[in-house]
Amino acid sequence: DTGVSQDPRHKITKRGQNVTFRCDPISEHNRLYWYRQTLGQGPEFLTYFQNEAQLEKSRLLSDRFSAERPKGSFSTLEIQRTEQGDSAMYLCASSPRRREGRNEQFFGPGTRLTVL
Amino acid sequence: ELKVEQNPLFLSMQEGKNYTIYCNYSTTSDRLYWYRQDPGKSLESLFVLLSNGAVKQEGRLMASLDTKARLSTLHITAAVHDLSATYFCAFQGLSWGKLQFGAGTQVVVTP
Repeated sequence: DTGVSQDPRHKITKRGQNVTFRCDPISEHNRLYWYRQTLGQGPEFLTYFQNEAQLEKSRLLSDRFSAERPKGSFSTLEIQRTEQGDSAMYLCASSPRRREGRNEQFFGPGTRLTVL
Repeated sequence: ELKVEQNPLFLSMQEGKNYTIYCNYSTTSDRLYWYRQDPGKSLESLFVLLSNGAVKQEGRLMASLDTKARLSTLHITAAVHDLSATYFCAFQGLSWGKLQFGAGTQVVVTP
């Protein structure tokens, strides 16, 4: 049973560097979501895709953030010129087509980013 | 702006007793989710509530949804140590898109 996978699991970087995270959703899921979670808080929505189309972006997603899902399968989230405030857990989730089985979002293990 | 308010934010439970976590949300929806998160781990789906009056139970946990009151509750019956975790409710709007999470309830179960 393959769930949502994310890579890397941990990333330590220096302020100003660029980082890229990858998410592989559950294979038959057409929707893919990115969230950010800081310590003691609930996850905050960043963006989501239906197949390769990016349907919604949060105001939290500044110009330094970009996400892609080029072939409607895996997705990448890139942060340029990282800042200390970007330190957080970045969670990816996927869900199936509406009305096909369970509709909830299944979360990956997350990528923990630390910006020094 | 959509808001999801959970309370309490922290709950110290005694083993064997019953407790309730409340989740209020600010707009019309009939889709409410409950997740569990262990420290340093990702989120595990517990319940999906898709209609007014929905009630679901799994073991010692039972979740319900009242869309008219915009309230969901998570009942814990006869708490045990294994239930120690942070519990999140999340609301989903009509587009079946993003989830709006509450702040979470940190549950600690002690003997």
